[in-house]
Amino acid sequence: GEDVEQSLFLSVREGDSSVINCTYTDSSSTYLYWYKQEPGAGLQLLTYIFSNMDMKQDQRLTVLLNKKDKHLSLRIADTQTGDSAIYFCACSGGYNKLIFGAGTRLAVHP
Amino acid sequence: NAGVTQTPKFQVLKTGQSMTLQCAQDMNHEYMSWYRQDPGMGLRLIHYSVGAGITDQGEVPNGYNVSRSTTEDFPLRLLSAAPSQTSVYFCASNPTWGTGPNTEAFFGQGTRLTVV
Repeated sequence: GEDVEQSLFLSVREGDSSVINCTYTDSSSTYLYWYKQEPGAGLQLLTYIFSNMDMKQDQRLTVLLNKKDKHLSLRIADTQTGDSAIYFCACSGGYNKLIFGAGTRLAVHP
Repeated sequence: NAGVTQTPKFQVLKTGQSMTLQCAQDMNHEYMSWYRQDPGMGLRLIHYSVGAGITDQGEVPNGYNVSRSTTEDFPLRLLSAAPSQTSVYFCASNPTWGTGPNTEAFFGQGTRLTVV
């Protein structure tokens, strides 16, 4: 079946850039998503990219998609302590069936 | 705006007990779904509904029932709780079914369930 993999933990210094990586197996995914989960809260959609795009930029966020390698990344520029959260990569598995990765816990330290 | 409301936030059950996790949305969304979140495993789809009166199984449906009698409500029933059902449960709703922009999933705050 479809699978989405992410590294589980990333630690960065405040002000540096963070890069969270994700690989997926379902080549038919039309959209790929990044969700953010803050402590004790549900998931919120951060950004998404359509499968025919290579890159999408949204303020401090840059999403890169390498469809050939089935690799998705999320870059957060000028990372702040408020960016500390768990970031989930998800791909569309048909009829709103989102396939989630295990989540990457981003820790931002001074 | 309430969005997606889940109750309760926390629950402890004994093995064999049954209970219902409540989920309500006030956005008139067609699509609703239940996920469970386990450490190191991401979110897994339990059941989903594309509209009132229509439900279907997701990836891990065993031990759970759902119904969708109204657009607003999508309760999840645990028939006979087992320790393996200890997890955090999230309800989500989407404006419509399909994937892409304007079909963004809105998540509730989650219900942390412990089965002892």
